Amino acid sequence: EADIYQTPRYLVIGTGKKITLECSQTMGHDKMYWYQQDPGMELHLIHYSYGVNSTEKGDLSSESTVSRIRTEHFPLTLESARPSHTSQYLCASSDYRGGGETQYFGPGTRLLVL
Amino acid sequence: GQQLNQSPQSMFIQEGEDVSMNCTSSSIFNTWLWYKQDPGEGPVLLIALYKAGELTSNGRLTAQFGITRKDSFLNISASIPSDVGIYFCAGQNFGNEKLTFGTGTRLTIIP
Repeated sequence: EADIYQTPRYLVIGTGKKITLECSQTMGHDKMYWYQQDPGMELHLIHYSYGVNSTEKGDLSSESTVSRIRTEHFPLTLESARPSHTSQYLCASSDYRGGGETQYFGPGTRLLVL
Repeated sequence: GQQLNQSPQSMFIQEGEDVSMNCTSSSIFNTWLWYKQDPGEGPVLLIALYKAGELTSNGRLTAQFGITRKDSFLNISASIPSDVGIYFCAGQNFGNEKLTFGTGTRLTIIP
């Protein structure tokens, strides 16, 4: 059972607002990730982190930013939300076991920008 | 970049039937993962495979890591209503923290 949490689960917000999506994990994992996923579609990596003070951009260009000040916390921020940001955002963390890395996902935040 | 082809895209089966889905890649992976995602939720890890040829079971689920390292399959035996959802395969290479995800297989159970 993965202990990774995301808040809020659902967010409806107007264009131009600043929002922060929270993600935290209690497993002590160094690596954390943010994915963007449209309903029923594949996941696209937008940010990841190797550990504290490390942030990297993923494969899909995103206007969001992330920070990693504490191991357990990896928030994602949109400075000015737009309708094109409407999507589901999934946070994940990973550990190394059995010879490979395994990623565990949070429940996601569904964002609707009006 | 790497691409994962997952098939079938969707399946409509009756309760009690067995299910088989697979993923193929244009390049090799060192880890294969299978996830299930319910609507509005995050993917939940079902099975992780770390060695070529490895066959692993988790209850009614069985998955195999192909010998060529370019494919993997997932079987579900005696399907039940809670098996409904989207199944994703994902591959990863050593030293590359990014997962490459398949496009998903949507499983529907017909009453």
